[in-house]
Amino acid sequence: DTEVTQTPKHLVMGMTNKKSLKCEQHMGHRAMYWYKQKAKKPPELMFVYSYEKLSINESVPSRFSPECPNSSLLNLHLHALQPEDSALYLCASSLWTGAETQYFGPGTRLLVL
Amino acid sequence: GESVGLHLPTLSVQEGDNSIINCAYSNSASDYFIWYKQESGKGPQFIIDIRSNMDKRQGQRVTVLLNKTVKHLSLQIAATQPGDSAVYFCAEKGSSGSARQLTFGSGTQLTVLP
Repeated sequence: DTEVTQTPKHLVMGMTNKKSLKCEQHMGHRAMYWYKQKAKKPPELMFVYSYEKLSINESVPSRFSPECPNSSLLNLHLHALQPEDSALYLCASSLWTGAETQYFGPGTRLLVL
Repeated sequence: GESVGLHLPTLSVQEGDNSIINCAYSNSASDYFIWYKQESGKGPQFIIDIRSNMDKRQGQRVTVLLNKTVKHLSLQIAATQPGDSAVYFCAEKGSSGSARQLTFGSGTQLTVLP
């Protein structure tokens, strides 16, 4: 099973809302990632978790708050977003951070009004 | 900083023909390369990878070629099918520091014509 699942598939939120994105994998991977992807652009790395600890934050604004409750789950908490934050948010996982192959989920399409 | 780039943003091929998608990279320390396929509305899907100690690797209908001398990577798709229509990203990874994270190229939109 090489599946990474993400919920919800689509999300519309206002700039004052608080929402969360969820990601789950049951492959025993110990590295999990959040990427942001704008239309017709490649994915951009936001955060890396290694063994449930945040190891990389690519200077992401604090209105994005990641959380890794356990080795299978990764959340991204959203608060006071801006319209320019509208994008596809992708979760990925790999065996460990040094492992080459990352497996991606289907993404959450976020629209901020 | 280092970057991974693609020669062409779009590519159209006839169904049944072979497709070649090219990618240039600039980080000579990169030691791993990977191709992803991303269909509309979906996440990137692993296609094939290659390490820097190889120059060719074959999968089912796909071949990746690596030319380290000119820092060039290509993906060849044999007998292209309508289901191959997607955006294809190359990505590279180094062995240390921030280069250990995947760096994606800008993507090529492949359209298969009937």
